Amino acid sequence: SQKIEQNSEALNIQEGKTATLTCNYTNYSPAYLQWYRQDPGRGPVFLLLIRENEKEKRKERLKVTFDTTLKQSLFHITASQPADSATYLCALDIINNAGNMLTFGGGTRLMVKP
Amino acid sequence: DTEVTQTPKHLVMGMTNKKSLKCEQHMGHRAMYWYKQKAKKPPELMFVYSYEKLSINESVPSRFSPECPNSSLLNLHLHALQPEDSALYLCASSRPGQNSPLHFGNGTRLTVT
Repeated sequence: SQKIEQNSEALNIQEGKTATLTCNYTNYSPAYLQWYRQDPGRGPVFLLLIRENEKEKRKERLKVTFDTTLKQSLFHITASQPADSATYLCALDIINNAGNMLTFGGGTRLMVKP
Repeated sequence: DTEVTQTPKHLVMGMTNKKSLKCEQHMGHRAMYWYKQKAKKPPELMFVYSYEKLSINESVPSRFSPECPNSSLLNLHLHALQPEDSALYLCASSRPGQNSPLHFGNGTRLTVT
């Protein structure tokens, strides 16, 4: 069966360090992968999308890599700040003309301590 | 604030009640979605509407009935729910097709008593 796993439920790091979150998947051949941020009591907010033919994508302090051989994506936040504390979700899509069928990983709760 | 508006923010209902959740977006998106999220779990897809037609139903029980009256509105009608249906119900919208990020509302927190 198809499975998406994020490396840990929770990750604690010190302010200023780089946070690295992992998303592994099995039995998928995704065309692209997305990362979202979710704060308590709010809906997920889209951060980055990376396509299968892209190795790396950057946006300000965020960087995503996508290795289709390893079936893994890494999400990095450099110079982390307490305001980066949130749950981060990776999501994979199955190509479907009817609409996006995003399936989410379990999420990683990131806590950045001052 | 998000560009997808969900009402009500909170809802408490008994198992014999009928209620509706509402979702509205004005971004011109022609795909709209309902997701269900339990505490400390990821969102789970329930329904997808594409161009106002139901295109995906992820084997959701019939006590949940979606409706898309026009391209801006999405409803979820609830009837005879069970306590285990208590969850955060999230609406989202996107451009149809591939490579389109989802824009989520902040959800309706539903409690079934």
